[in-house]
Parts: sequence; C-alpha cells; structure tokens
Amino acid sequence: AQSVTQLDSQVPVFEEAPVELRCNYSSSVSVYLFWYVQYPNQGLQLLLKYLSGSTLVKSINGFEAEFNKSQTSFHLRKPSVHISDTAEYFCAVSEGGSSASKIIFGSGTRLSIRP
Amino acid sequence: EAQVTQNPRYLITVTGKKLTVTCSQNMNHEYMSWYRQDPGLGLRQIYYSMNVEVTDKGDVPEGYKVSRKEKRNFPLILESPSPNQTSLYFCASSLQGGVAFFGQGTRLTVV
Repeated sequence: AQSVTQLDSQVPVFEEAPVELRCNYSSSVSVYLFWYVQYPNQGLQLLLKYLSGSTLVKSINGFEAEFNKSQTSFHLRKPSVHISDTAEYFCAVSEGGSSASKIIFGSGTRLSIRP
Repeated sequence: EAQVTQNPRYLITVTGKKLTVTCSQNMNHEYMSWYRQDPGLGLRQIYYSMNVEVTDKGDVPEGYKVSRKEKRNFPLILESPSPNQTSLYFCASSLQGGVAFFGQGTRLTVV
C-alpha cells in the first residue's frame, strides 16, 4: 500500500531564508508525486508535480522539488521565502500509469514566515 | 472557468439530522472524490467515484454515502450526522494521473 510521510508538522522560517519541506513516500509501484498548497480558508491548489522525465520540477513561484527514487523522497525547496508563502503544504502520491487512481496525502506541513 | 463548486461553505447542524453537501465540476472529469481534513491528520479520503454509477469506499467511509448519477455531480450525504463528523470537507475531481482540482471546502459542525 502507498503512504506518504511529512516529517515536519510546522516549519517556521524568517523571510528571505531558504526552506525545505520534507516528504517521503512508500510504494511498490511507480508513482506520480505532487505538492499541493493550501492558503488560509481556501481549498488545495496544485503547486508542482512529477509524472515522468526530469526529476527536478519547478513551480512558477520559485518552489522546486526533486524526485529521488533511491531515497523515496520528494522534498520541496525554495531558496528565499516570502510572507505570501505562508500556507500549509501537502505532499501526495498516486499510482503512476493508472487511468484513475487514488491520491494519498501526507499530514501536511504548516509553513510560517516571520518578518 | 474550470472549477469545482461545493455548497454550502459553512453548515451547522444537529446530531441525527440528515444533510447533503453538493459538489459539481465543469471539467468533464471522470474521477471525483471526497476528503475530510482534520488537524494533524491531513486529508483522508471518504469515497471516490471513477465514473457515473461507479463509487467505492476510501479510507474513512463510515457514516457517509455518495451517489454519482451524472458525471458532473458527486454529492456527499450524511444520513445521521454525529459530532465526530465535525470537520472540513473537500470535493475534488481529477485528471488521469492524479492531478486534482479541489473545491473551496465545506466546514461542517455537528452539535
């Protein structure tokens, strides 16, 4: 069975500092990997995804994540955070290659940015 | 505009009073699902549907029902709500490969 572990429930950082949100998954098959972001009082939005190809994927607002198959990880990074990045971030996995597959979410990491 | 619409956004009800939360998507997605979000637990899937008239249980289906009579709609039904169903609920529809589009959420309080 697939599972997703987000090791940090909360990550406080100062504005303009780098940040890494950790995500590890377990699966016996190939996977698709996602990061979703939830801003206060909103639904989840897709931030970035890995389906195939280059293991480094990037979002339009400066986040990036790298698929590491040997370590079964998909950590999210940003070199310099902004106050507007304050949100909860969810890592998710689904079974790759399936026409319609279940998405498993991690428990979320709350990113708080201090000025 | 591509969207998933949930109603209502907020609902307070009493134990045992049947309620329905509606969900509609305009993207012609085959796959739809319901999640509940609770602090520290992330999102847990309640039910999902792979197509019209095809539904299946997720991880926490007890106390919930769903139906999928049309492709665009996927209502969540609580026949006899209880306080432990107080939560934030999200409907989502998905493209092949798991890219999900979420509704804005329904905050349900059962007293």
